[in-house]
Amino acid sequence: DVKVTQSSRYLVKRTGEKVFLECVQDMDHENMFWYRQDPGLGLRLIYFSYDVKMKEKGDIPEGYSVSREKKERFSLILESASTNQTSMYLCASILAGGGNTIYFGEGSWLTVV
Amino acid sequence: GQSLEQPSEVTAVEGAIVQINCTYQTSGFYGLSWYQQHDGGAPTFLSYNALDGLEETGRFSSFLSRSDSYGYLLLQELQMKDSASYFCAVRVNSGNTPLVFGKGTRLSVIA
Repeated sequence: DVKVTQSSRYLVKRTGEKVFLECVQDMDHENMFWYRQDPGLGLRLIYFSYDVKMKEKGDIPEGYSVSREKKERFSLILESASTNQTSMYLCASILAGGGNTIYFGEGSWLTVV
Repeated sequence: GQSLEQPSEVTAVEGAIVQINCTYQTSGFYGLSWYQQHDGGAPTFLSYNALDGLEETGRFSSFLSRSDSYGYLLLQELQMKDSASYFCAVRVNSGNTPLVFGKGTRLSVIA
């Protein structure tokens, strides 16, 4: 069974903290993504990666960075968390060349206080 | 810019049929897909249309008209477990460009 695993389902962090959200996929997919999901705003793309050590900005990259040191792992980093980054974060992966099916992790609920 | 329009909420009765529409304006078009997301869960793939017409998968069908930049998801014999959010998404090219998602339609199935 294909799987995208996000290491933390629920986190509470303080303003200014550095936050790491980890994502691992076992499907040997080249492409990985980080989305943010907020009520009424749908899925918004933060960053994506086509390959190891490669990254591309999505629609809302400000305040975030990413790391892809291994093909199966894609990390989202909040350098200095702020309250407006309280949200649900979804990691996803898809085959190179796009494919027709994107696979999502279960999501990480982040609250910044 | 890229935009996908779908209704924000739909309510339907158990056993009925419901149609969720999606219109798109994107820089390119390669295919339209649909995803289902239950509260607290991950979006999961439902269907994909690259060509005009209807694709059927059990109780769910998806339709595409490329000339109208329009598609819909049809859910038949609604069940309470179908209450979820449904997202349409456009693949704009054959390469690695990320899918463009609509904002989602919240479907509530009532008894």
